Amino acid sequence: EAGVAQSPRYKIIEKRQSVAFWCNPISGHATLYWYQQILGQGPKLLIQFQNNGVVDDSQLPKDRFSAERLKGVDSTLKIQPAKLEDSAVYLCASSPVGQGYEQYFGPGTRLTVT
Amino acid sequence: GEDVEQSLFLSVREGDSSVINCTYTDSSSTYLYWYKQEPGAGLQLLTYIFSNMDMKQDQRLTVLLNKKDKHLSLRIADTQTGDSAIYFCARQSGTALIFGKGTTLSVSS
Repeated sequence: EAGVAQSPRYKIIEKRQSVAFWCNPISGHATLYWYQQILGQGPKLLIQFQNNGVVDDSQLPKDRFSAERLKGVDSTLKIQPAKLEDSAVYLCASSPVGQGYEQYFGPGTRLTVT
Repeated sequence: GEDVEQSLFLSVREGDSSVINCTYTDSSSTYLYWYKQEPGAGLQLLTYIFSNMDMKQDQRLTVLLNKKDKHLSLRIADTQTGDSAIYFCARQSGTALIFGKGTTLSVSS
């Protein structure tokens, strides 16, 4: 079974630029999560989708971050404009419904904002 | 204090047992988890325990849960150099996870 795919793996941008990350979850997983992991911290949930609907986006800085999952499969996370404090690893995870809330993580995208 | 707390570093010798500890504040979580993160990689689910269990064993891994003290531990028997990584404790919150800051395990030969 293929794991969670993310691209790009690394991205360097200047502050005030925009950036987008892509995630393809494990086939059949209805739930998709985006987490932000700042260096030295644990991952923090940004947004959670169930199929193509948003379940929880309470931690998403909506003035600059947006995310979508239009067909209930792939998802994109966008930052516009980026700030220095957005430098982090952005992790995508997916989960099958009703299986103990097990989440499977992708390798992440490391964003550096200069 | 933090929702989920872990000590930051643990250093052991190869062949010894490692015990990584975690405390949490919200006892309503149904599941508690241990994840492993190797350099440059995503998080790998190691094991999880249901809140009505005291212990769960899976090969070299033993999870102990003291719900009264809100304390979770992960014991790795016969620790190998390949076990060197960051270990995250996490608790379930709704259907999302709240993570600790991670414990860096260093294994020397």
